[in-house]
Amino acid sequence: GQQLNQSPQSMFIQEGEDVSMNCTSSSIFNTWLWYKQEPGEGPVLLIALYKAGELTSNGRLTAQFGITRKDSFLNISASIPSDVGIYFCAGQLQGGGATNKLIFGTGTLLAVQP
Amino acid sequence: DGGITQSPKYLFRKEGQNVTLSCEQNLNHDAMYWYRQDPGQGLRLIYYSQIVNDFQKGDIAEGYSVSREKKESFPLTVTSAQKNPTAFYLCASTSAEVRHEQYFGPGTRLTVT
Repeated sequence: GQQLNQSPQSMFIQEGEDVSMNCTSSSIFNTWLWYKQEPGEGPVLLIALYKAGELTSNGRLTAQFGITRKDSFLNISASIPSDVGIYFCAGQLQGGGATNKLIFGTGTLLAVQP
Repeated sequence: DGGITQSPKYLFRKEGQNVTLSCEQNLNHDAMYWYRQDPGQGLRLIYYSQIVNDFQKGDIAEGYSVSREKKESFPLTVTSAQKNPTAFYLCASTSAEVRHEQYFGPGTRLTVT
């Protein structure tokens, strides 16, 4: 199955720093989603994007649907220790039909030092 | 509270035994999904079901089976034919109104020795 290229693979930052991560593909997507997963738990949906160029915020998190429809970005401002976890992007391919199948990135591990 | 429940949280089995993982949702969602997660990898789709009594294979269905007899339940059986069954298994569901936003259960960690 296809997977999205997500980078960076991991980030180790100090509390208060801003964070950026992205997902790219050679294919066009209709929908981009960003999830956060904490150890031993299921992913939690953070932000959903449905239109090219769309910029959506959820608290300190901001995500963008790339204008080419082949990428998406997630930014976290003023990171705090509870931001620790693995962040996944997911998308639905153009022409993916009505099955709602998503393709997932490989994840970005975020560690925040107090 | 509405949500998705998976049980048990941890499951241990001997090689050669079939094991069934439970997934229940009270969100009135139509579609349900099973994923497998291995360290350092993204989620891989095993099976999905869009309506009761119907389901389709995902990308890695070999060695797994499912049923969808009720809207709220989508159990996954890991059979002895699955070569490498030890993994973290996640169940998800979506509503017809917000089709692409999948909501996940807490997961079941299966260890086969």
